[in-house]
Amino acid sequence: KNQVEQSPQSLIILEGKNCTLQCNYTVSPFSNLRWYKQDTGRGPVSLTIMTFSENTKSNGRYTATLDADTKQSSLHITASQLSDSASYICVVSVLTSGTYKYIFGTGTRLKVLA
Amino acid sequence: DGGITQSPKYLFRKEGQNVTLSCEQNLNHDAMYWYRQDPGQGLRLIYYSQIVNDFQKGDIAEGYSVSREKKESFPLTVTSAQKNPTAFYLCASSTPRGPTNTEAFFGQGTRLTVV
Repeated sequence: KNQVEQSPQSLIILEGKNCTLQCNYTVSPFSNLRWYKQDTGRGPVSLTIMTFSENTKSNGRYTATLDADTKQSSLHITASQLSDSASYICVVSVLTSGTYKYIFGTGTRLKVLA
Repeated sequence: DGGITQSPKYLFRKEGQNVTLSCEQNLNHDAMYWYRQDPGQGLRLIYYSQIVNDFQKGDIAEGYSVSREKKESFPLTVTSAQKNPTAFYLCASSTPRGPTNTEAFFGQGTRLTVV
């Protein structure tokens, strides 16, 4: 069964600290993996996208890594800011019957405190 | 501005009523999707459309209906047959097929509450 699991479920850190969010997937055949940021009550916004051959991708203070062998990805946030408080969703794309579909993780809810 | 717009942002429905959620995009994307988001769960696919006048059921299509008469528009109707419609609904669009270097763009969502 195609699944995407994220950990931790929630995380609280102090402003200025770093943190790492995890994503494990059992999706096949794998197409690409994306990380989205979703503010409360808003739609998700893309942070990074990685294909099978990419190991790391950065977007400002956000750095995503991908290990296609172990089917794990991480999102590292450097020097966190209050505005980083949001849910972070890992999404894996899978090719099914000639159509690409997206498998969503349940997200990690991050709270950054002053 | 290019983007994807959902309306309304908040919607209240009485039990037994049908309601329609609007989704419009001006990104010239062929593919559009409807997802439902519940607390503690990942987004679940309701319906998707790869091209005008064609759409496919997702994982939780029961109690929902869609149409795709125009490329820009993909409205979702929540019917009275949907037993637990209270949720946050997200519409998305993406470039067609081969999403290796593309992404799905999301609207801002519609929160539907049954009263």
